[in-house]
Amino acid sequence: AQSVSQHNHHVILSEAASLELGCNYSYGGTVNLFWYVQYPGQHLQLLLKYFSGDPLVKGIKGFEAEFIKSKFSFNLRKPSVQWSDTAEYFCAVNANGGATNKLIFGTGTLLAVQP
Amino acid sequence: KAGVTQTPRYLIKTRGQQVTLSCSPISGHRSVSWYQQTPGQGLQFLFEYFSETQRNKGNFPGRFSGRQFSNSRSEMNVSTLELGDSALYLCASSLGAKADTQYFGPGTRLTVL
Repeated sequence: AQSVSQHNHHVILSEAASLELGCNYSYGGTVNLFWYVQYPGQHLQLLLKYFSGDPLVKGIKGFEAEFIKSKFSFNLRKPSVQWSDTAEYFCAVNANGGATNKLIFGTGTLLAVQP
Repeated sequence: KAGVTQTPRYLIKTRGQQVTLSCSPISGHRSVSWYQQTPGQGLQFLFEYFSETQRNKGNFPGRFSGRQFSNSRSEMNVSTLELGDSALYLCASSLGAKADTQYFGPGTRLTVL
């Protein structure tokens, strides 16, 4: 069965530290990849997405992610986190050849940034 | 442009009752998907509708059903509620039919007592 793994469940960082959140998926075909963020008390928002082309994608608020097909990975990065980045981050995969909009989500990573 | 709206935002029901949740997608979006979010299981796909047709269904019992209307608004229904149905139910809309970016609503928080 298709699945998405986020290995870091809880991450605590100090402001200005660098961030990398791991995401791996299990699907051998064409995938579309997403990172969503859920700030406290707010709804899910799209951070960035990869459909095709340059495997390094840039999103909002200084986030970027790299698609490495050989590793089935789509890790999220940010060079310097801020207190306002405290949130839960979800990796999601559309893994049915792009035929529908169904997303499979990872279990999420809760990021706490200490001022 | 207004975002995805969901009503009601909060709902308290008792076991055995049924519930209907509503979702209005972003204007012009024709695809609506529903997800269940719980602390233990995370975000799980329920079903997807496009042009009033259910295109995908997740691994949920038949007590969970949904439909989409001609104006793209969608409803989901849960019958014979169980305690384990307590969750945040999220609706997401997309412009197109295939692998499009989904925009999420604020969710309906269902509590089953």
